[in-house]
Amino acid sequence: DIVMTQGALPNPVPSGESASITCQSSKSLLHSNGKTYLNWYLQRPGQSPQLLIYWMSTRASGVSDRFSGSGSGTDFTLKISSVEAEDVGVYYCQQFLEYPLTFGSGTKLEIK
Amino acid sequence: EVQLQQSGAELGKPGTSVKLSCKVSGYNIRNTYMHWVNQRPGKGLEWIGRIDPANGNTIYAEKFKSKATLTADTSSNTAYMQLSQLKSDDTAIYFCAIGSWDLAYWGQGTLVTVSS
Repeated sequence: DIVMTQGALPNPVPSGESASITCQSSKSLLHSNGKTYLNWYLQRPGQSPQLLIYWMSTRASGVSDRFSGSGSGTDFTLKISSVEAEDVGVYYCQQFLEYPLTFGSGTKLEIK
Repeated sequence: EVQLQQSGAELGKPGTSVKLSCKVSGYNIRNTYMHWVNQRPGKGLEWIGRIDPANGNTIYAEKFKSKATLTADTSSNTAYMQLSQLKSDDTAIYFCAIGSWDLAYWGQGTLVTVSS
């Protein structure tokens, strides 16, 4: 199985500052079709997860442009520019290259 | 608008089974995969498996192969997951979600509590 490893944030993050969450996969997520099958989700407290980013860098419909995804085949970053109170929650990366699908352990964002 | 409506909370005794449902509106489930994910109390997300409603093909995570059974009814646009031989470790919130290369839409989750 592909192992997803997420980094921690130096919480709390001051409102208006930027925050970067890292994720590493144990295998390259670059498909032969040129797409990288890495997704990012946000789970706000008490809610279901919501898709933020798919194919490593494509924002899902309705997601603020303050969220951006980048990376290589095995190392990925989700950047949140100018964090706001509504960004609080746990962020998960997930690989969709092969089954079983696997998630990172989650990175908690708190705002000051 | 795409919506996934999951069935209500379940209380199951050890050794019994429960069957959860996930009804989709605004999208034909024949055109996507239906996934199930769990979240134990205070823990992260764990993928259980997925079904292709168009043909009934399923893929499971190894640890859930004898625990979960996924089915789908395209006539009602609803997916189901049966959990068998319940143990206290199965206490969790179970989410359904649809997507082919991402989990684009999620249900609200069903809390399953296993207790005698």
